[in-house]
Amino acid sequence: DVVMTQTPPSLSVAIGQSVSISCKSSQSLVYSDGKTYLHWLLQSPGRSPKRLIYQVSNLGSGVPDRFSGTGSQKDFTLKISRVEAEDLGVYYCAQTTHFPYTFGAGTKLELK
Amino acid sequence: EVQLVESGGSLVQPGGSLKLSCVASGFTFSNYWMDWVRQTPGKSLEWIGEINTDGSKTNCAPSIKDRFTISRDNAKNTLYLQMSNVKSDDTAIYYCDILLAYWGQGTLVTVSS
Repeated sequence: DVVMTQTPPSLSVAIGQSVSISCKSSQSLVYSDGKTYLHWLLQSPGRSPKRLIYQVSNLGSGVPDRFSGTGSQKDFTLKISRVEAEDLGVYYCAQTTHFPYTFGAGTKLELK
Repeated sequence: EVQLVESGGSLVQPGGSLKLSCVASGFTFSNYWMDWVRQTPGKSLEWIGEINTDGSKTNCAPSIKDRFTISRDNAKNTLYLQMSNVKSDDTAIYYCDILLAYWGQGTLVTVSS
Protein backbone atom coordinates (compact mmCIF):
# COMPACT_ATOMS: atom_id res chain seq x y z
CA ASP A 1 0.00 0.00 0.00
CA VAL A 2 1.12 3.58 -0.61
CA VAL A 3 2.03 5.20 2.69
CA MET A 4 1.11 8.86 3.03
CA THR A 5 3.23 10.71 5.59
CA GLN A 6 1.94 14.05 6.79
CA THR A 7 3.90 16.57 8.80
CA PRO A 8 3.52 18.13 11.23
CA PRO A 9 0.92 16.10 13.15
CA SER A 10 -0.38 19.32 14.66
CA LEU A 11 -0.07 23.06 14.20
CA SER A 12 -0.95 25.88 16.52
CA VAL A 13 -1.69 29.09 14.63
CA ALA A 14 -2.99 32.58 15.13
CA ILE A 15 -5.80 33.93 13.00
CA GLY A 16 -4.30 35.66 9.99
CA GLN A 17 -1.13 33.59 10.03
CA SER A 18 -0.08 31.47 7.03
CA VAL A 19 0.77 27.78 7.40
CA SER A 20 1.96 24.87 5.31
CA ILE A 21 1.36 21.14 5.66
CA SER A 22 3.56 18.55 3.99
CA CYS A 23 2.48 15.21 2.56
CA LYS A 24 4.96 12.68 1.21
CA SER A 25 4.03 9.43 -0.49
CA SER A 26 6.03 6.20 -0.55
CA GLN A 27 5.54 5.93 -4.33
CA SER A 28 5.09 8.36 -7.18
CA LEU A 29 1.46 9.40 -7.50
CA VAL A 30 1.61 10.00 -11.24
CA TYR A 31 -0.97 7.77 -12.92
CA SER A 32 -0.62 6.21 -16.38
CA ASP A 33 -2.76 9.03 -17.82
CA GLY A 34 -0.15 11.57 -16.69
CA LYS A 35 -2.33 13.02 -13.95
CA THR A 36 -1.47 13.06 -10.24
CA TYR A 37 -4.32 11.99 -7.99
CA LEU A 38 -3.32 13.68 -4.76
CA HIS A 39 -6.06 15.45 -2.83
CA TRP A 40 -6.47 17.47 0.36
CA LEU A 41 -9.43 17.18 2.72
CA LEU A 42 -10.51 19.11 5.80
CA GLN A 43 -12.53 17.59 8.60
CA SER A 44 -13.93 20.31 10.83
CA PRO A 45 -14.82 19.29 14.41
CA GLY A 46 -17.87 17.05 14.47
CA ARG A 47 -18.26 17.15 10.70
CA SER A 48 -17.65 14.86 7.74
CA PRO A 49 -14.55 15.40 5.63
CA LYS A 50 -14.72 17.95 2.85
CA ARG A 51 -12.48 18.00 -0.21
CA LEU A 52 -10.50 21.21 -0.53
CA ILE A 53 -8.12 20.45 -3.37
CA TYR A 54 -8.03 17.72 -6.02
CA GLN A 55 -5.26 16.58 -8.31
CA VAL A 56 -2.57 18.50 -6.42
CA SER A 57 -3.63 22.07 -7.08
CA ASN A 58 -7.27 22.36 -8.20
CA LEU A 59 -9.59 24.10 -5.76
CA GLY A 60 -12.82 22.31 -4.95
CA SER A 61 -16.17 23.97 -5.43
CA GLY A 62 -16.64 26.92 -3.08
CA VAL A 63 -13.18 26.62 -1.55
CA PRO A 64 -11.58 30.03 -0.94
CA ASP A 65 -8.38 30.87 -2.77
CA ARG A 66 -6.56 31.21 0.56
CA PHE A 67 -5.95 27.50 0.04
CA SER A 68 -3.37 26.34 -2.46
CA GLY A 69 -1.71 23.04 -3.28
CA THR A 70 1.62 22.34 -4.89
CA GLY A 71 3.93 19.45 -5.50
CA SER A 72 4.73 16.56 -7.78
CA GLN A 73 5.67 12.89 -7.83
CA LYS A 74 5.99 12.08 -4.11
CA ASP A 75 6.17 15.44 -2.37
CA PHE A 76 3.18 17.73 -1.84
CA THR A 77 2.28 20.81 0.17
CA LEU A 78 -0.94 22.48 1.24
CA LYS A 79 -0.65 26.16 2.07
CA ILE A 80 -3.24 28.20 3.88
CA SER A 81 -2.77 31.94 3.65
CA ARG A 82 -4.35 34.13 6.33
CA VAL A 83 -5.89 31.38 8.47
CA GLU A 84 -9.48 32.01 9.56
CA ALA A 85 -11.38 30.43 12.45
CA GLU A 86 -13.40 28.25 10.04
CA ASP A 87 -10.14 26.63 8.85
CA LEU A 88 -9.57 24.84 12.13
CA GLY A 89 -9.81 21.05 12.10
CA VAL A 90 -7.88 18.08 10.77
CA TYR A 91 -6.34 18.14 7.32
CA TYR A 92 -5.77 14.93 5.39
CA CYS A 93 -3.96 14.21 2.18
CA ALA A 94 -5.25 11.29 0.12
CA GLN A 95 -4.08 9.45 -2.97
CA THR A 96 -6.34 7.79 -5.53
CA THR A 97 -3.64 6.78 -7.97
CA HIS A 98 -2.87 3.32 -6.59
CA PHE A 99 -5.14 0.66 -5.09
CA PRO A 100 -5.96 0.64 -2.29
CA TYR A 101 -6.49 4.37 -1.99
CA THR A 102 -4.84 5.68 1.16
CA PHE A 103 -4.93 8.69 3.45
CA GLY A 104 -2.39 10.48 5.58
CA ALA A 105 -2.75 10.36 9.37
CA GLY A 106 -3.88 13.96 9.47
CA THR A 107 -2.61 17.33 10.64
CA LYS A 108 -4.61 19.02 13.37
CA LEU A 109 -4.80 22.79 12.99
CA GLU A 110 -5.57 24.54 16.28
CA LEU A 111 -5.79 28.09 17.50
CA LYS A 112 -2.81 29.50 19.35
CA GLU B 1 -27.68 20.32 -3.72
CA VAL B 2 -25.81 17.03 -3.49
CA GLN B 3 -26.92 14.97 -0.52
CA LEU B 4 -25.74 11.58 0.70
CA VAL B 5 -27.51 10.01 3.65
CA GLU B 6 -26.13 6.85 5.21
CA SER B 7 -28.12 4.52 7.45
CA GLY B 8 -28.06 1.03 8.86
CA GLY B 9 -25.29 1.39 11.43
CA SER B 10 -25.83 -0.31 14.76
CA LEU B 11 -24.34 -2.53 17.45
CA VAL B 12 -23.48 -5.95 16.02
CA GLN B 13 -21.80 -8.98 17.54
CA PRO B 14 -18.46 -10.27 16.27
CA GLY B 15 -19.07 -12.66 13.40
CA GLY B 16 -22.37 -11.01 12.58
CA SER B 17 -23.64 -9.23 9.47
CA LEU B 18 -24.93 -5.77 8.69
CA LYS B 19 -26.04 -3.89 5.57
CA LEU B 20 -25.46 -0.18 5.25
CA SER B 21 -27.30 2.06 2.80
CA CYS B 22 -26.51 5.43 1.29
CA VAL B 23 -29.32 7.32 -0.40
CA ALA B 24 -28.19 9.93 -2.91
CA SER B 25 -29.99 13.01 -4.20
CA GLY B 26 -29.23 16.26 -5.98
CA PHE B 27 -27.22 14.71 -8.80
CA THR B 28 -27.49 11.97 -11.42
CA PHE B 29 -26.47 9.02 -9.25
CA SER B 30 -26.08 6.58 -12.14
CA ASN B 31 -23.35 8.75 -13.70
CA TYR B 32 -20.88 8.49 -10.83
CA TRP B 33 -18.57 5.95 -9.30
CA MET B 34 -19.19 5.79 -5.55
CA ASP B 35 -16.94 4.99 -2.59
CA TRP B 36 -17.17 3.78 0.98
CA VAL B 37 -14.65 5.14 3.50
CA ARG B 38 -14.52 4.46 7.23
CA GLN B 39 -13.05 6.32 10.17
CA THR B 40 -12.18 4.56 13.39
CA PRO B 41 -12.67 6.50 16.63
CA GLY B 42 -10.01 9.16 16.97
CA LYS B 43 -8.11 7.88 13.96
CA SER B 44 -7.60 8.48 10.31
CA LEU B 45 -9.59 7.50 7.28
CA GLU B 46 -9.54 4.12 5.56
CA TRP B 47 -10.80 3.54 2.04
CA ILE B 48 -13.04 0.48 1.83
CA GLY B 49 -13.83 0.30 -1.86
CA GLU B 50 -15.58 1.73 -4.89
CA ILE B 51 -18.18 0.70 -7.44
CA ASN B 52 -18.59 1.76 -11.04
CA THR B 53 -21.62 3.47 -12.50
CA ASP B 54 -23.67 0.42 -13.42
CA GLY B 55 -22.53 -1.75 -10.53
CA SER B 56 -20.67 -4.26 -12.70
CA LYS B 57 -17.24 -3.56 -11.23
CA THR B 58 -15.93 -3.02 -7.73
CA ASN B 59 -12.48 -2.43 -6.30
CA CYS B 60 -12.00 -3.14 -2.62
CA ALA B 61 -9.29 -2.80 -0.03
CA PRO B 62 -7.52 -6.09 0.79
CA SER B 63 -8.32 -5.59 4.48
CA ILE B 64 -12.04 -6.12 3.88
CA LYS B 65 -12.08 -8.16 0.70
CA ASP B 66 -14.28 -11.29 0.85
CA ARG B 67 -16.06 -9.95 3.94
CA PHE B 68 -17.61 -6.75 2.58
CA THR B 69 -19.55 -6.33 -0.67
CA ILE B 70 -20.39 -3.07 -2.37
CA SER B 71 -23.45 -2.81 -4.59
CA ARG B 72 -25.86 -0.20 -5.89
CA ASP B 73 -29.40 0.20 -7.15
CA ASN B 74 -29.53 3.06 -9.61
CA ALA B 75 -33.32 2.92 -9.78
CA LYS B 76 -33.39 3.72 -6.07
CA ASN B 77 -30.38 6.07 -6.07
CA THR B 78 -28.91 3.91 -3.34
CA LEU B 79 -25.46 2.56 -2.58
CA TYR B 80 -25.00 -0.43 -0.29
CA LEU B 81 -22.28 -1.98 1.85
CA GLN B 82 -22.95 -5.55 2.93
CA MET B 83 -20.73 -6.43 5.88
CA SER B 84 -20.27 -10.02 7.00
CA ASN B 85 -18.13 -11.84 9.58
CA VAL B 86 -17.50 -8.49 11.26
CA LYS B 87 -14.65 -8.02 13.72
CA SER B 88 -13.99 -5.53 16.53
CA ASP B 89 -11.59 -3.70 14.18
CA ASP B 90 -14.57 -2.90 11.94
CA THR B 91 -15.93 -0.53 14.60
CA ALA B 92 -16.01 2.83 12.83
CA ILE B 93 -18.08 5.57 11.26
CA TYR B 94 -18.86 4.55 7.69
CA TYR B 95 -19.16 7.23 5.02
CA CYS B 96 -20.25 7.07 1.43
CA ASP B 97 -18.72 9.62 -0.90
CA ILE B 98 -18.39 10.69 -4.52
CA LEU B 99 -14.76 10.86 -5.58
CA LEU B 100 -13.91 12.25 -2.10
CA ALA B 101 -15.69 15.44 -3.17
CA TYR B 102 -19.03 14.97 -1.42
CA TRP B 103 -19.56 12.97 1.76
CA GLY B 104 -22.52 11.83 3.79
CA GLN B 105 -22.81 12.41 7.52
CA GLY B 106 -21.74 8.85 8.26
CA THR B 107 -23.31 5.94 10.14
CA LEU B 108 -21.74 4.34 13.22
CA VAL B 109 -21.06 0.62 13.33
CA THR B 110 -20.03 -0.85 16.67
CA VAL B 111 -18.83 -4.45 16.81
CA SER B 112 -18.98 -5.81 20.31
CA SER B 113 -20.33 -8.74 22.26
